Amino acid sequence: KAGVTQTPRYLIKTRGQQVTLSCSPISGHRSVSWYQQTPGQGLQFLFEYFSETQRNKGNFPGRFSGRQFSNSRSEMNVSTLELGDSALYLCASSRLGGTEAFFGQGTRLTVV
Amino acid sequence: AQSVTQLDSHVSVSEGTPVLLRCNYSSSYSPSLFWYVQHPNKGLQLLLKYTSAATLVKGINGFEAEFKKSETSFHLTKPSAHMSDAAEYFCVVSEIQGRGSTLGRLYFGRGTQLTVWP
Repeated sequence: KAGVTQTPRYLIKTRGQQVTLSCSPISGHRSVSWYQQTPGQGLQFLFEYFSETQRNKGNFPGRFSGRQFSNSRSEMNVSTLELGDSALYLCASSRLGGTEAFFGQGTRLTVV
Repeated sequence: AQSVTQLDSHVSVSEGTPVLLRCNYSSSYSPSLFWYVQHPNKGLQLLLKYTSAATLVKGINGFEAEFKKSETSFHLTKPSAHMSDAAEYFCVVSEIQGRGSTLGRLYFGRGTQLTVWP
């Protein structure tokens, strides 16, 4: 069974640009969550999607958005990139009623 | 509200000696608790989880943790450290609200970097 797949693994963007990250969950998992990991703030929750609906949202500005498709794949978008958005973005999937999250390898975003 | 405090940001041990990584939590619900490990440039791997069953939880690679409600603790232990255990460890609490719910938001501690000396 394939794990959680995140693409791309690495990205370099310029301030002011926008970026889209992709996450394919484990087959059968319909819940997808996104986390930002930085040395200063640690791991912070961005949002959770289930059945194409956002269920929870963390405390991030509106520049951070996401969506989920009917096949449970999810994308997150960051607009007007800032230097502080440089981070490892992790996606996790779980099944409904499940008791654990399975994480992808992450996308390392560098904003210059 | 949920929160997690990992009491040590760095722990160093010699290979073959015991490992203790400490974690305290705060939760409004009956919590589900997890330990995840992250090796450099990798994602997070689940070591073990507590979900209101046995209070002593055994995980992968010889790790175990004990849920102590009275102390609001969930410390991670291993009897004998191996070089391959060197990594960052995260204690996590979840706000699962019942069967049939999504996992919800995970609350992470700040992590403990484990160094294992030969």
